[in-house]
Amino acid sequence: AQSVTQPDIHITVSEGASLELRCNYSYGATPYLFWYVQSPGQGLQLLLKYFSGDTLVQGIKGFEAEFKRSQSSFNLRKPSVHWSDAAEYFCAVGANSGGYQKVTFGTGTKLQVIP
Amino acid sequence: DVKVTQSSRYLVKRTGEKVFLECVQDMDHENMFWYRQDPGLGLRLIYFSYDVKMKEKGDIPEGYSVSREKKERFSLILESASTNQTSMYLCASSILGGSQTGGYTFGSGTRLTVV
Repeated sequence: AQSVTQPDIHITVSEGASLELRCNYSYGATPYLFWYVQSPGQGLQLLLKYFSGDTLVQGIKGFEAEFKRSQSSFNLRKPSVHWSDAAEYFCAVGANSGGYQKVTFGTGTKLQVIP
Repeated sequence: DVKVTQSSRYLVKRTGEKVFLECVQDMDHENMFWYRQDPGLGLRLIYFSYDVKMKEKGDIPEGYSVSREKKERFSLILESASTNQTSMYLCASSILGGSQTGGYTFGSGTRLTVV
């Protein structure tokens, strides 16, 4: 079975600073990897996904993530954070199982942006 | 824009009541899912469905049931609501898994309080 670990529950960064949110996964084969963002009181929105190919993936809102198989990681990055990026971020891993795909979510990292 | 619509944003129900949470998607997606989200626990899968009239248990199905009579509608049923079912409930849909997987589209969530 797959699992996802987001080691940081809460992160605070200054507006304009760079951001890196950590994600480690556990899965025996090549996984499908996702990052979602959730604004307060809202559902989750897909930021980016990795299935295969180039290990550096570009997403919406200026985010990118890099798949590192050797480290079982899929960290999310943004070069310059905006106040509107304050939200909760979820990493997820998907794996095919018996003809369908099961997606497992991490416990989330809450991002606070200070002026 | 593709949409997943959850019928209620907020619900307050009494212990022992039968509760219906409705979810409708307009994307002709085969897969639909119900998650509950609790602080520090991330998203936990309750039930999912890969076809009309088909359902599969997720990780925490106890106390819940589901119904999928039409492709676009997936209902979550709390047979006898209890206070420990107070939570945010998220519905999601996706196309069939495998290489075509594009991640999930989420609804805005229903915050259920059981008193």
